[in-house]
Amino acid sequence: LAKTTQPISMDSYEGQEVNITCSHNNIATNDYITWYQQFPSQGPRFIIQGYKTKVTNEVASLFIPADRKSSTLSLPRVSLSDTAVYYCLVAPRGDSSYKLIFGSGTRLLVRP
Amino acid sequence: GAVVSQHPSRVICKSGTSVKIECRSLDFQATTMFWYRQFPKQSLMLMATSNEGSKATYEQGVEKDKFLINHASLTLSTLTVTSAHPEDSSFYICSAEAGSAYNEQFFGPGTRLTVL
Repeated sequence: LAKTTQPISMDSYEGQEVNITCSHNNIATNDYITWYQQFPSQGPRFIIQGYKTKVTNEVASLFIPADRKSSTLSLPRVSLSDTAVYYCLVAPRGDSSYKLIFGSGTRLLVRP
Repeated sequence: GAVVSQHPSRVICKSGTSVKIECRSLDFQATTMFWYRQFPKQSLMLMATSNEGSKATYEQGVEKDKFLINHASLTLSTLTVTSAHPEDSSFYICSAEAGSAYNEQFFGPGTRLTVL
């Protein structure tokens, strides 16, 4: 399973766009990139998943360059409630028993 | 989206007792469920993979005789912490795989275990 590296923490202010980059140099051909959000004392929540180029949903955008060795989660106009830990994970799809290996995650603090 | 529940949400027990935590997929069938443990300010650590009707697969370093996992149906997996000790105090989280083409895992809300 590909290992991921993210910044330990980030600070931002309400209304700003936040970009969190994740490195996954050893990503395999059939690996997908998934981001989860976790609030204190809660289980992780799925944010977005992608394979290449750009994916956008109502919550975030995910940018993946052609070499797929990194990805960037973009949160538009963050609010205080976006303060959480964000995890980038890489795992294959199609294998019913694939494991999610969580890295350290990025602790995002949004200030007023 | 799919919902996964855990029960109890919080439990306090005495050292030496056993505690059972339930993980249920409420609106879908999950052939595979996963159990994680998370210590304060740390990331989630995968403990085991649980497949319905078969023995769980434990990660290296996780004692299978201490953390008993039973996945008796497609909607229920249980984790029993046997002879719990204070060092077992942690946040236990389960996830269930919906089995769709996306292999998306849905996480439960977690169970806070405190062993006195």
